[in-house]
Amino acid sequence: QLVLTQSPSASASLGASVRLTCTLSSGHSSYAIVWHQQQPEKGPRYLMKLNSDGSHNKGDGIPDRFSGSSSGAERYLTISSLQSEDEADYYCQTWGNTFWVFGGGTKLTVL
Amino acid sequence: EVHLVESGGGLVQPGGSLRLSCAASGFSFSSWSMSWVRQTPGKGLEWVANIKEDGSDISYVDSVKGRFTISRDNAKNSLYLQMNSLRAEDTAVYYCARIPRYVVGATGYWGQGTLVTVSS
Repeated sequence: QLVLTQSPSASASLGASVRLTCTLSSGHSSYAIVWHQQQPEKGPRYLMKLNSDGSHNKGDGIPDRFSGSSSGAERYLTISSLQSEDEADYYCQTWGNTFWVFGGGTKLTVL
Repeated sequence: EVHLVESGGGLVQPGGSLRLSCAASGFSFSSWSMSWVRQTPGKGLEWVANIKEDGSDISYVDSVKGRFTISRDNAKNSLYLQMNSLRAEDTAVYYCARIPRYVVGATGYWGQGTLVTVSS
């Protein structure tokens, strides 16, 4: 069964870096995923598509502070030089044969 | 600039119907698969339905099969979601989205959402 697992919460200080993790279920380590950001009271925003080899393609206007990487079944979103507007929910998403799967989301708090 | 603008949400009684629309602009709508995703207040994102570029290939999450119908009108650059036999658990913000899977270098977009409330 295709499942994406995310930690419910994360926190880091203003100006620091943080790495969020999305883990693909067993047997699905080759899958690409997409990272989406949802700021409070807003709709989701496409951040990037992240492939199993770590290559990624970012969305329109996404700052260089956002980057992606992969290792095995884990997909990472790293945000450097954290700003207050980075405080948001971050969701990973992938595709099954005919359906989509979302992770439960990670709520990032910027201290 | 790409825009996806949803409309048609509102308050409906259990068992009722609603038709959501998504107006697309800024890209060649007929060349892209489109999707509906929903979000229950305070909860995560849930994929609802997909439709391929020409409408020939459609899929749904199990919980809406037989009740919801996704469709599109490429001449009007519009995506639709007909929702029948609505239940309280269908209460959510509904988003249309273009999230490319196979097109190298393409990027994704979301609409701003429309709220559907199912309540008596």
